[in-house]
Amino acid sequence: NAGVMQNPRHLVRRRGQEARLRCSPMKGHSHVYWYRQLPEEGLKFMVYLQKENIIDESGMPKERFSAEFPKEGPSILRIQQVVRGDSAAYFCASSPSTGEPYEQYFGPGTRLTVT
Amino acid sequence: GQNIDQPTEMTATEGAIVQINCTYQTSGFNGLFWYQQHAGEAPTFLSYNVLDGLEEKGRFSSFLSRSKGYSYLLLKELQMKDSASYLCAVKAGGSYIPTFGRGTSLIVHP
Repeated sequence: NAGVMQNPRHLVRRRGQEARLRCSPMKGHSHVYWYRQLPEEGLKFMVYLQKENIIDESGMPKERFSAEFPKEGPSILRIQQVVRGDSAAYFCASSPSTGEPYEQYFGPGTRLTVT
Repeated sequence: GQNIDQPTEMTATEGAIVQINCTYQTSGFNGLFWYQQHAGEAPTFLSYNVLDGLEEKGRFSSFLSRSKGYSYLLLKELQMKDSASYLCAVKAGGSYIPTFGRGTSLIVHP
């Protein structure tokens, strides 16, 4: 009974490169959420997706960041032309629905380091 | 917007009881979560409160007072493995996205 899977667990990129973070939700879950966590800070919501749809991207920077959740395959968070400030832990969570209580199940995170 | 406050850090002794408070200011409250997060790991779900009162689950209990905008997480019979960050998260305003507080880092001493 696999939980939420994220890969890679650790990613190092040089400034200006692209970072691709992958998330496979729990079996039976069709809702995916991406969060960013900086050291000593709380989880900050970035984007909420369902299959082939972006439902809410109010927390995602307008430039350089994009997300998708295709019909087949994992959800992808893509960061173009990374900068040092993008260094953070990126967590993906999934839920079966947005109804009650339906807590989110989190993946182990991808720790992005930009050098 | 929402404002969620938690103490930054707390310390306690193994075997003791500790209460971690969370206050929030929001409109259209729709539920409060507590998560536990060990260093370098994913947050894991502990509890969910939507009605006033105390929810008990083993050594952990969570309390909610909607009129006061206040919740606490109570941990009994503390163990060393309880050393972690405890995140309070609130759903409100018709949003399905919980807003997380900064978390309370709990250090349990022998």
